[in-house]
This record gives sequence, C-alpha cells and structure tokens, in this order.
Amino acid sequence: QKEVEQDPGPLSVPEGAIVSLNCTYSNSAFQYFMWYRQYSRKGPELLMYTYSSGNKEDGRFTAQVDKSSKYISLFIRDSQPSDSATYLCAMIAGGTSYGKLTFGQGTILTVHP
Amino acid sequence: GAGVSQSPRYKVAKRGQDVALRCDPISGHVSLFWYQQALGQGPEFLTYFQNEAQLDKSGLPSDRFFAERPEGSVSTLKIQRTQQEDSAVYLCASSLDSSSGGGETQYFGPGTRLLVL
Repeated sequence: QKEVEQDPGPLSVPEGAIVSLNCTYSNSAFQYFMWYRQYSRKGPELLMYTYSSGNKEDGRFTAQVDKSSKYISLFIRDSQPSDSATYLCAMIAGGTSYGKLTFGQGTILTVHP
Repeated sequence: GAGVSQSPRYKVAKRGQDVALRCDPISGHVSLFWYQQALGQGPEFLTYFQNEAQLDKSGLPSDRFFAERPEGSVSTLKIQRTQQEDSAVYLCASSLDSSSGGGETQYFGPGTRLLVL
C-alpha cells in the first residue's frame, strides 16, 4: 500500500462548480502538505502549502489538513476551464534533513464551459 | 527570471543504450532533486543533492541509475543499459535551500520524457 492515496478520477465538472480533491495518508510523520497543479507535458507547480493541521485560503483555493484523520483536501471555488489539469497532493515528513516530497497518484480534473 | 530547465525534452532510446539527462536549476538554488513520473502516476523521488554532495540516493531503482552534480549547479542523471521499464518522465526540481527541512518550495522543470523501445 502506498503512503499517500489519491483518487485518480477523472473528474469532470461544469464551469463555476465547486471542486473537492482529497488525499489520505498513512505516515504519521508527515508534517508539510502541498497541492501541486500539473498541466499536460509540464512540470508540477506549487498551488498551496500548509504546515501541520488547519485551513489555508488563497483566492479561489482552500486547503484543509486533518492530521487526526490523516486526510487532506483542496477545494476550488468557481472553477474555470483553465483549472483543467492534474492535481497532485504531496507531503514531507517532519524531522528529515531535507524536503523530500512524497506524492499521491494525481487527480485529473476537467472543467468544461 | 529563468526557471528550471531540462534537456532533452524528449528522448527515444533503444533497449540497452545509455542515456544522459540534464538539469539546469534556478541560479543560486543549492538543493536539487530528481523524480521519476510513470504514466498516470505521481512523481517518485530518486535522489537529492545539496550543492555538489549527493545526500540521498535511496530512490534510484537500480545501479544502472547514476546522478551527479560536480560543481553544485548543473546536474546529470545517467541511465545505463536502458530497459523498457525505464520509460517515464524524469523531473528535476530545485529549491533555495532545503537543508532545514520541509519549508522550502521546490520548483520543477518541464521534465524529460524518455521512451525506451
């Protein structure tokens, strides 16, 4: 079983919808939680970063971390066709000497006009 | 400023050939990571450099994989005697300094798409 599990989708929603993306994890040492967006044939780009539990909001994006349930979420409000991409959750264990990322499988999102 | 660049963007190799993949990190970034992304999967860690020192190579799949960063800037990932299972996208990422842990953002290059026939 992988340390980080993510539903690969694909997920298809109409423009303006609220999108919910989720990951679960098994390693209780994970302390840093990120969401990356990856467009086709491009490298991942950081969307959201959260340390430990809690919520973080940035424009249309909200990241939530529930360490007690080992569950993280990304919400996208008022989704746009330009949000169509693969969304990857990623985590870093605390106490490591550097920031090695452990990724989920990625969820493919399509927002249609 | 310029981001992380990788070359070549695409590489087709016959099984058994050696390949070399190049990564140019963002100027001034001391930390450099290599990841392997199979089709439909998330990236998986291969190796990590702090300046020229390779501090973790635990993710390299076999001894056919070798990475170096001799002057603490450009890095090369070499795969000897390529196999079909090596087909993947190889991503390079750099950060300002990840030696203190998870707080630094990693910036990814576009990747090299390797196809082994």
